[in-house]
Amino acid sequence: DTGVSQNPRHKITKRGQNVTFRCDPISEHNRLYWYRQTLGQGPEFLTYFQNEAQLEKSRLLSDRFSAERPKGSFSTLEIQRTEQGDSAMYLCASSPNSGGLRRAGELFFGEGSRLTVL
Amino acid sequence: AQSVTQPDIHITVSEGASLELRCNYSYGATPYLFWYVQSPGQGLQLLLKYFSGDTLVQGIKGFEAEFKRSQSSFNLRKPSVHWSDAAEYFCAVGAREGYSTLTFGKGTMLLVSP
Repeated sequence: DTGVSQNPRHKITKRGQNVTFRCDPISEHNRLYWYRQTLGQGPEFLTYFQNEAQLEKSRLLSDRFSAERPKGSFSTLEIQRTEQGDSAMYLCASSPNSGGLRRAGELFFGEGSRLTVL
Repeated sequence: AQSVTQPDIHITVSEGASLELRCNYSYGATPYLFWYVQSPGQGLQLLLKYFSGDTLVQGIKGFEAEFKRSQSSFNLRKPSVHWSDAAEYFCAVGAREGYSTLTFGKGTMLLVSP
């Protein structure tokens, strides 16, 4: 049973550059989430997909951020014109559709992609 | 909007001693409540959740948590801590309508001393 996979695990970039992170969820999960975690904070919700549809976006997701899940499988999170404040761990999680409300909130997280903006 | 407070940033417990990690939430109705654990270099893992029914919920690795509506709390407990329990613990709340998104607390780092 493979878990949620995120790549790259670490990315160092200069301010103003674009970066893209990829997330491969657990294969049978149709829900996919992106969270951001900074030092000393808990994960903060960014966006959520059900299959290929992006159903919810946080106000944290500025215009420089875009997320896609084109075929309802893997997802990408792109940050354009990076700023030092974007330095964080970007977490991807997936969850199954089955189980209804009783399975709600049971997220399976990847190990994260750490972004450092110089 | 919902919120979660974990008042303890760090807690140190001797191996074999009991543990209680505090969590208070703010939400207008009955929430979903969760505890997740994050070990170094690993993704967050669900320990347990409260959905409805019995207010004392059992989780993995010998953890339990009790939902107290009157205190807006969902404290995590373990009767005997093992060195492998050293990790960061996050309490989270989910709204029943928009249950797809969770609001996490800032976490409590658990240190286990020999």
